[in-house]
Amino acid sequence: ETGVTQSPTHLIKTRGQQVTLRCSSQSGHNTVSWYQQALGQGPQFIFQYYREEENGRGNFPPRFSGLQFPNYSSELNVNALELDDSALYLCASSLSGVGEQYFGPGTRLTVT
Amino acid sequence: KQEVTQIPAALSVPEGENLVLNCSFTDSAIYNLQWFRQDPGKGLTSLLLIQSSQREQTSGRLNASLDKSSGRSTLYIAASQPGDSATYLCAVCGANSKLTFGKGITLSVRP
Repeated sequence: ETGVTQSPTHLIKTRGQQVTLRCSSQSGHNTVSWYQQALGQGPQFIFQYYREEENGRGNFPPRFSGLQFPNYSSELNVNALELDDSALYLCASSLSGVGEQYFGPGTRLTVT
Repeated sequence: KQEVTQIPAALSVPEGENLVLNCSFTDSAIYNLQWFRQDPGKGLTSLLLIQSSQREQTSGRLNASLDKSSGRSTLYIAASQPGDSATYLCAVCGANSKLTFGKGITLSVRP
């Protein structure tokens, strides 16, 4: 059984640029959730996708957008990057929206 | 709005000690509660999940309890080891399917 994978591991971008982060869900899981974790804080919910549809969104602006593909992998896109977007971005997959969530290793994004 | 609190923010104990990590939440309308471990700069490892209808779950040296009515959960670690040093986060899953996390407790187990 393959766990949750994320790419890339690290990324450095300049303010104003756009970034795409990728996540492959655990085998058999149809739900993917994305979280942002700033240094020293708990993860904050960005949004969740269930069977390719958005299924809940946290308090993040529209420049944070996502996709889920038929194989249940997912992308997180962030436009017009700001310095405060620097964080660890975590992806989690589950069998349902309220099921046990399994996290990937994260993508460390630095915006300069 | 759900809020999750973990106090203290950091804890240092000698090896072999039994310890309890506390978590409180403000809205008792939850589906489940999960405890996670996070090593520095890494992702989250799920330790235990307690469904809202359950009172506790056990895995090895770990035992987690849930008192939904009072909005509290505890994670008990028996016979702590230096390898247990990490940040422990609790998170509650609400009706909107999102996990709301506390800030975590950073545990250091001294040899």
